[in-house]
Amino acid sequence: AQRVTQPEKLLSVFKGAPVELKCNYSYSGSPELFWYVQYSRQRLQLLLRHISRESIKGFTADLNKGETSFHLKKPFAQEEDSAMYYCALRTRNAGNMLTFGGGTRLMVKP
Amino acid sequence: NAGVMQNPRHLVRRRGQEARLRCSPMKGHSHVYWYRQLPEEGLKFMVYLQKENIIDESGMPKERFSAEFPKEGPSILRIQQVVRGDSAAYFCASSVGADTQYFGPGTRLTVL
Repeated sequence: AQRVTQPEKLLSVFKGAPVELKCNYSYSGSPELFWYVQYSRQRLQLLLRHISRESIKGFTADLNKGETSFHLKKPFAQEEDSAMYYCALRTRNAGNMLTFGGGTRLMVKP
Repeated sequence: NAGVMQNPRHLVRRRGQEARLRCSPMKGHSHVYWYRQLPEEGLKFMVYLQKENIIDESGMPKERFSAEFPKEGPSILRIQQVVRGDSAAYFCASSVGADTQYFGPGTRLTVL
């Protein structure tokens, strides 16, 4: 069965510092990986997906199949980046369901 | 487009009562998913429905839980004879086919 692990429940950085939110997955095939973000009092929304290979709000994530990781990175954190971040995986053999990690709360201090 | 709507946003039930959670997908979306988030945990898949069909219910508890998505009207997640362990946030998402899932604001169920 597929599994997503986000080892850090809380990550606290200062404004302007680099950020890396870790995500590891277990699945032997070719998964689709996503990052979702939930800002305070807002709904969960898609931040980026690996197949798009895009940068959203300065965030990027690269799928590393060798290390089975999909870490989210931003070179200079902003206070407005403070939120809950969830890594999620979708696999062809599991239909459309998303398997989520436990989430990481990012706090960016001024 | 108002996005995925869920109601109620907060629901309080006593043990043994029934809880009904509603989800209206985004306009044009015919695929609906329900996820449950227990305190301090990530979202866990429950069920995936298309209009009038349950496609995948592998994440649904075997008893007391049921879901439907009728031809007309919202999708309903029904929990019978609620217990304290059912207290959680229940999220609905919708999509066009197998594309991106868009999430609703969630319903927070509290069982007293």
